[in-house]
Amino acid sequence: SQQGEEDPQALSIQEGENATMNCSYKTSINNLQWYRQNSGRGLVHLILIRSNEREKHSGRLRVTLDTSKKSSSLLITASRAADTASYFCATGFTGGGNKLTFGTGTQLKVEL
Amino acid sequence: KAGVTQTPRYLIKTRGQQVTLSCSPISGHRSVSWYQQTPGQGLQFLFEYFSETQRNKGNFPGRFSGRQFSNSRSEMNVSTLELGDSALYLCASSLSELRGEAFFGQGTRLTVV
Repeated sequence: SQQGEEDPQALSIQEGENATMNCSYKTSINNLQWYRQNSGRGLVHLILIRSNEREKHSGRLRVTLDTSKKSSSLLITASRAADTASYFCATGFTGGGNKLTFGTGTQLKVEL
Repeated sequence: KAGVTQTPRYLIKTRGQQVTLSCSPISGHRSVSWYQQTPGQGLQFLFEYFSETQRNKGNFPGRFSGRQFSNSRSEMNVSTLELGDSALYLCASSLSELRGEAFFGQGTRLTVV
């Protein structure tokens, strides 16, 4: 079963707007990662945040992590049509090797 | 550096048959994990191999098995296929547990008819 939920399930915005996706998880984690998937293809790693970090940036991406609330958010600023994809959060656990538990995903559509 | 390569990309099998999927990780990566993705269950972890040993296993029946070779290439086998095994099977390679990032292949789309 999946570790957590993401919301919204689907998000439609205009190009240039910001997109925010949220992820909640259930148990203690070692790290939380965000991935992008285009139309049933492979997953692309976007960013990783460790349990002792609160915020991380990479280009137009900003990720926050609140371990007390067991939640994370992904912000994509100045969205482009090419950002249209499904976005998944995934959690890793201490002692879990490289096993990742994925959330349900958010489908983002960026319209011109 | 070449990415993760999965073969074949598409596969159609008949119920009751068996299938073997292959994954070649990024050079130098010793960890290979397998995931199943379906519309109903989402992305689910199957198993992880590290240095030829299964390190973690998900909650799947024994029909799903895997192995890893000394060159880190991995295979996944599903025996006695069921219609519900139709899915996108994704392989991920990782450098180390400390790093954490997983790099995914394009997947094998398995259809069971």
